[in-house]
Amino acid sequence: EPEVTQTPSHQVTQMGQEVILRCVPISNHLYFYWYRQILGQKVEFLVSFYNNEISEKSEIFDDQFSVERPDGSNFTLKIRSTKLEDSAMYFCASSEYAGRFRVFGSGTRLTVV
Amino acid sequence: GENVEQHPSTLSVQEGDSAVIKCTYSDSASNYFPWYKQELGKRPQLIIDIRSNVGEKKDQRIAVTLNKTAKHFSLHITETQPEDSAVYFCAAAFSNTGNQFYFGTGTSLTVIP
Repeated sequence: EPEVTQTPSHQVTQMGQEVILRCVPISNHLYFYWYRQILGQKVEFLVSFYNNEISEKSEIFDDQFSVERPDGSNFTLKIRSTKLEDSAMYFCASSEYAGRFRVFGSGTRLTVV
Repeated sequence: GENVEQHPSTLSVQEGDSAVIKCTYSDSASNYFPWYKQELGKRPQLIIDIRSNVGEKKDQRIAVTLNKTAKHFSLHITETQPEDSAVYFCAAAFSNTGNQFYFGTGTSLTVIP
């Protein structure tokens, strides 16, 4: 069964540093997403991406965040200057088409110290 | 925007009993309602979904019901097993745009052997 792959599984970074989280969506999926889940809390939407551009973003997705699809397979989330409150599990997801369910990746646990 | 409320936040049942988790949503335009199961430390995985043109959907021990008029939908798990123990998230979306899923706050289900 096709999977969404995320790397790394766990990243520790110092406050103020830049991090890039990587995702490989399912190959025939057209819509890509990033979600965040702070420990013990609900999954929160960050951004959706379609046709090489952001289609929607939440209030969480401020100027410190950016997304990119640098090639035909990778989808990245960059946090320019990490803050302590950015510590969370970050899930990438993809869907085949707009109304289809999201398939989640296994997540990257980001710890900002 | 949409607001999804989920109850209860924790639920304990004896093995073999049924479990019911309820969600309400605010935006009458929402027309797609997936349910995700998240085991500890793992990714959310879709277990069942329902669209607004259907009132009920069943898949083995899992069923979802939708009341569009009252704007609420429920997950029913029958004959619960210890492996059903997890956090369950409901979500609501307007699937035509394919963008934001609005997740509920989650229900931690414990099935006691």
